Amino acid sequence: LAKTTQPISMDSYEGQEVNITCSHNNIATNDYITWYQQFPSQGPRFIIQGYKTKVTNEVASLFIPADRKSSTLSLPRVSLSDTAVYYCLVGEGYQKVTFGIGTKLQVIP
Amino acid sequence: GAGVSQSPSNKVTEKGKDVELRCDPISGHTALYWYRQSLGQGLEFLIYFQGNSAPDKSGLPSDRFSAERTGGSVSTLTIQRTQQEDSAVYLCASSQGQVHGYTFGSGTRLTVV
Repeated sequence: LAKTTQPISMDSYEGQEVNITCSHNNIATNDYITWYQQFPSQGPRFIIQGYKTKVTNEVASLFIPADRKSSTLSLPRVSLSDTAVYYCLVGEGYQKVTFGIGTKLQVIP
Repeated sequence: GAGVSQSPSNKVTEKGKDVELRCDPISGHTALYWYRQSLGQGLEFLIYFQGNSAPDKSGLPSDRFSAERTGGSVSTLTIQRTQQEDSAVYLCASSQGQVHGYTFGSGTRLTVV
Protein backbone atom coordinates (compact mmCIF):
# COMPACT_ATOMS: atom_id res chain seq x y z
CA LEU A 1 0.00 0.00 0.00
CA ALA A 2 1.32 3.42 -0.94
CA LYS A 3 2.20 5.60 2.03
CA THR A 4 0.86 9.14 2.03
CA THR A 5 2.22 12.29 3.63
CA GLN A 6 0.15 15.41 4.16
CA PRO A 7 0.40 18.46 6.43
CA ILE A 8 -0.94 17.98 9.92
CA SER A 9 -2.81 21.27 10.00
CA MET A 10 -3.68 24.35 7.94
CA ASP A 11 -5.44 27.63 8.66
CA SER A 12 -7.36 29.70 6.11
CA TYR A 13 -9.63 32.73 6.12
CA GLU A 14 -13.18 32.47 4.90
CA GLY A 15 -13.57 33.04 1.17
CA GLN A 16 -10.06 31.93 0.29
CA GLU A 17 -9.09 28.98 -1.86
CA VAL A 18 -7.40 26.21 0.08
CA ASN A 19 -4.98 23.72 -1.44
CA ILE A 20 -3.94 20.63 0.50
CA THR A 21 -1.13 18.60 -1.03
CA CYS A 22 -0.55 14.92 -0.40
CA SER A 23 2.68 13.11 -1.29
CA HIS A 24 2.55 9.48 -2.38
CA ASN A 25 5.91 8.70 -3.93
CA ASN A 26 5.42 4.94 -4.23
CA ILE A 27 1.98 5.01 -5.82
CA ALA A 28 1.33 1.90 -7.93
CA THR A 29 0.06 1.83 -11.50
CA ASN A 30 -3.45 0.72 -10.57
CA ASP A 31 -3.83 2.97 -7.52
CA TYR A 32 -6.50 5.64 -7.33
CA ILE A 33 -6.27 8.77 -5.18
CA THR A 34 -9.24 9.51 -2.95
CA TRP A 35 -9.95 12.31 -0.48
CA TYR A 36 -12.30 12.21 2.47
CA GLN A 37 -13.60 14.87 4.86
CA GLN A 38 -14.39 14.22 8.51
CA PHE A 39 -16.31 16.45 10.89
CA PRO A 40 -16.19 15.90 14.66
CA SER A 41 -18.40 13.04 15.85
CA GLN A 42 -19.04 11.83 12.30
CA GLY A 43 -17.56 9.22 10.01
CA PRO A 44 -15.44 10.36 7.05
CA ARG A 45 -17.28 11.47 3.93
CA PHE A 46 -16.09 10.84 0.36
CA ILE A 47 -15.14 14.10 -1.40
CA ILE A 48 -13.42 13.28 -4.67
CA GLN A 49 -11.41 10.61 -6.44
CA GLY A 50 -9.05 10.64 -9.39
CA TYR A 51 -6.46 8.67 -11.29
CA LYS A 52 -4.61 11.29 -13.31
CA THR A 53 -4.85 14.92 -14.50
CA LYS A 54 -7.70 16.95 -13.02
CA VAL A 55 -11.07 16.03 -11.59
CA THR A 56 -13.72 18.51 -10.53
CA ASN A 57 -17.06 18.08 -8.82
CA GLU A 58 -19.48 20.37 -7.02
CA VAL A 59 -17.38 20.31 -3.86
CA ALA A 60 -13.71 20.34 -4.86
CA SER A 61 -11.07 19.86 -7.51
CA LEU A 62 -8.29 17.31 -7.50
CA PHE A 63 -5.05 18.00 -9.36
CA ILE A 64 -2.74 15.11 -10.15
CA PRO A 65 0.57 15.71 -11.98
CA ALA A 66 1.78 13.39 -14.70
CA ASP A 67 4.09 11.41 -12.39
CA ARG A 68 1.20 10.91 -9.88
CA LYS A 69 3.60 11.14 -6.96
CA SER A 70 1.48 13.81 -5.35
CA SER A 71 -2.00 15.23 -5.52
CA THR A 72 -3.61 18.49 -4.47
CA LEU A 73 -7.12 18.89 -3.14
CA SER A 74 -8.46 22.36 -3.91
CA LEU A 75 -11.42 23.80 -2.00
CA PRO A 76 -12.74 27.01 -3.57
CA ARG A 77 -13.84 29.89 -1.35
CA VAL A 78 -13.94 28.01 1.95
CA SER A 79 -16.48 28.78 4.63
CA LEU A 80 -16.53 28.04 8.35
CA SER A 81 -18.40 24.82 7.62
CA ASP A 82 -15.35 23.49 5.76
CA THR A 83 -13.46 23.24 9.05
CA ALA A 84 -12.72 19.52 9.22
CA VAL A 85 -10.02 16.89 8.88
CA TYR A 86 -9.13 15.92 5.32
CA TYR A 87 -7.65 12.51 4.50
CA CYS A 88 -5.74 11.49 1.39
CA LEU A 89 -5.87 7.79 0.48
CA VAL A 90 -4.08 5.86 -2.23
CA GLY A 91 -4.92 2.32 -3.29
CA GLU A 92 -7.09 0.16 -5.49
CA GLY A 93 -9.77 -2.42 -5.14
CA TYR A 94 -11.08 -3.80 -1.90
CA GLN A 95 -8.22 -3.80 0.55
CA LYS A 96 -7.08 -2.63 3.91
CA VAL A 97 -6.72 1.13 3.84
CA THR A 98 -4.97 3.23 6.45
CA PHE A 99 -6.35 6.72 6.80
CA GLY A 100 -3.54 8.29 8.77
CA ILE A 101 -3.97 11.43 10.86
CA GLY A 102 -5.08 13.64 7.96
CA THR A 103 -4.91 17.44 7.64
CA LYS A 104 -6.87 19.48 10.13
CA LEU A 105 -8.20 22.54 8.28
CA GLN A 106 -9.30 25.46 10.44
CA VAL A 107 -11.26 28.18 8.63
CA ILE A 108 -11.04 31.54 10.35
CA PRO A 109 -13.77 34.20 10.12
CA GLY B 1 -31.28 1.80 3.75
CA ALA B 2 -30.24 5.28 2.74
CA GLY B 3 -27.03 5.19 4.74
CA VAL B 4 -24.87 3.07 7.01
CA SER B 5 -26.49 2.68 10.40
CA GLN B 6 -24.57 1.85 13.56
CA SER B 7 -25.90 1.01 16.99
CA PRO B 8 -25.65 1.89 19.72
CA SER B 9 -24.36 5.40 19.13
CA ASN B 10 -22.85 5.46 22.60
CA LYS B 11 -21.90 2.63 24.92
CA VAL B 12 -20.45 2.83 28.41
CA THR B 13 -19.33 -0.47 29.85
CA GLU B 14 -17.39 -1.72 32.82
CA LYS B 15 -13.93 -3.13 32.38
CA GLY B 16 -14.11 -6.89 31.82
CA LYS B 17 -17.57 -6.93 30.27
CA ASP B 18 -18.32 -8.00 26.70
CA VAL B 19 -19.85 -5.60 24.18
CA GLU B 20 -21.46 -6.01 20.78
CA LEU B 21 -21.49 -3.26 18.18
CA ARG B 22 -23.82 -3.47 15.21
CA CYS B 23 -23.52 -2.19 11.66
CA ASP B 24 -26.26 -2.09 9.02
CA PRO B 25 -24.62 -1.34 5.66
CA ILE B 26 -26.23 0.19 2.61
CA SER B 27 -28.42 -2.37 0.91
CA GLY B 28 -26.55 -4.12 -1.89
CA HIS B 29 -23.08 -3.14 -0.71
CA THR B 30 -21.01 -6.30 -0.67
CA ALA B 31 -17.93 -4.89 1.08
CA LEU B 32 -18.04 -3.90 4.74
CA TYR B 33 -15.24 -2.47 6.84
CA TRP B 34 -14.67 -1.82 10.54
CA TYR B 35 -12.32 0.91 11.72
CA ARG B 36 -11.39 2.28 15.13
CA GLN B 37 -10.59 5.89 15.87
CA SER B 38 -9.05 6.97 19.14
CA LEU B 39 -9.32 10.57 20.27
CA GLY B 40 -7.36 12.86 17.94
CA GLN B 41 -6.03 9.98 15.91
CA GLY B 42 -6.54 8.67 12.39
CA LEU B 43 -8.62 5.66 11.52
CA GLU B 44 -7.20 2.24 12.35
CA PHE B 45 -8.32 -0.62 10.10
CA LEU B 46 -9.77 -3.60 11.96
CA ILE B 47 -11.42 -6.00 9.51
CA TYR B 48 -12.91 -6.20 6.02
CA PHE B 49 -15.76 -8.39 4.78
CA GLN B 50 -16.57 -9.29 1.20
CA GLY B 51 -20.01 -10.85 1.42
CA ASN B 52 -20.00 -13.01 4.53
CA SER B 53 -16.32 -13.88 4.42
CA ALA B 54 -13.50 -11.89 5.95
CA PRO B 55 -10.45 -12.05 3.68
CA ASP B 56 -8.56 -9.59 5.85
CA LYS B 57 -8.66 -9.77 9.65
CA SER B 58 -5.17 -8.43 10.07
CA GLY B 59 -6.21 -5.31 11.90
CA LEU B 60 -7.94 -6.96 14.84
CA PRO B 61 -5.78 -5.90 17.81
CA SER B 62 -6.17 -9.05 19.89
CA ASP B 63 -8.14 -12.29 20.15
CA ARG B 64 -10.64 -10.44 22.33
CA PHE B 65 -11.93 -8.86 19.13
CA SER B 66 -14.09 -10.76 16.67
CA ALA B 67 -16.57 -9.89 13.95
CA GLU B 68 -19.13 -11.64 11.85
CA ARG B 69 -21.42 -10.79 9.01
CA THR B 70 -24.57 -12.67 8.22
CA GLY B 71 -26.62 -12.76 5.02
CA GLY B 72 -24.14 -10.46 3.36
CA SER B 73 -25.66 -7.61 5.30
CA VAL B 74 -25.57 -6.85 9.03
CA SER B 75 -22.25 -7.12 10.83
CA THR B 76 -21.48 -7.40 14.53
CA LEU B 77 -18.16 -6.50 16.13
CA THR B 78 -17.69 -8.16 19.50
CA ILE B 79 -15.15 -7.15 22.10
CA GLN B 80 -14.73 -9.58 24.97
CA ARG B 81 -13.37 -8.69 28.40
CA THR B 82 -13.15 -5.02 27.52
CA GLN B 83 -10.15 -2.99 28.64
CA GLN B 84 -9.81 0.76 29.07
CA GLU B 85 -7.59 0.97 25.99
CA ASP B 86 -10.55 -0.28 23.94
CA SER B 87 -12.24 3.08 24.47
CA ALA B 88 -12.62 4.69 21.04
CA VAL B 89 -15.10 5.39 18.28
CA TYR B 90 -15.79 2.31 16.20
CA LEU B 91 -16.71 3.15 12.62
CA CYS B 92 -18.31 0.94 10.01
CA ALA B 93 -18.25 1.59 6.28
CA SER B 94 -19.69 -0.17 3.26
CA SER B 95 -18.80 -0.04 -0.41
CA GLN B 96 -19.94 -1.39 -3.75
CA GLY B 97 -18.14 -1.02 -7.02
CA GLN B 98 -16.22 2.16 -6.38
CA VAL B 99 -12.53 1.83 -5.68
CA HIS B 100 -12.48 3.59 -2.35
CA GLY B 101 -15.93 5.09 -2.29
CA TYR B 102 -16.73 4.13 1.27
CA THR B 103 -19.89 5.31 2.98
CA PHE B 104 -19.33 5.55 6.70
CA GLY B 105 -21.75 5.37 9.58
CA SER B 106 -21.60 7.85 12.43
CA GLY B 107 -19.88 5.34 14.67
CA THR B 108 -20.29 3.89 18.12
CA ARG B 109 -18.48 5.72 20.89
CA LEU B 110 -17.30 3.08 23.36
CA THR B 111 -16.18 4.09 26.81
CA VAL B 112 -14.74 1.47 29.15
CA VAL B 113 -14.75 2.54 32.78
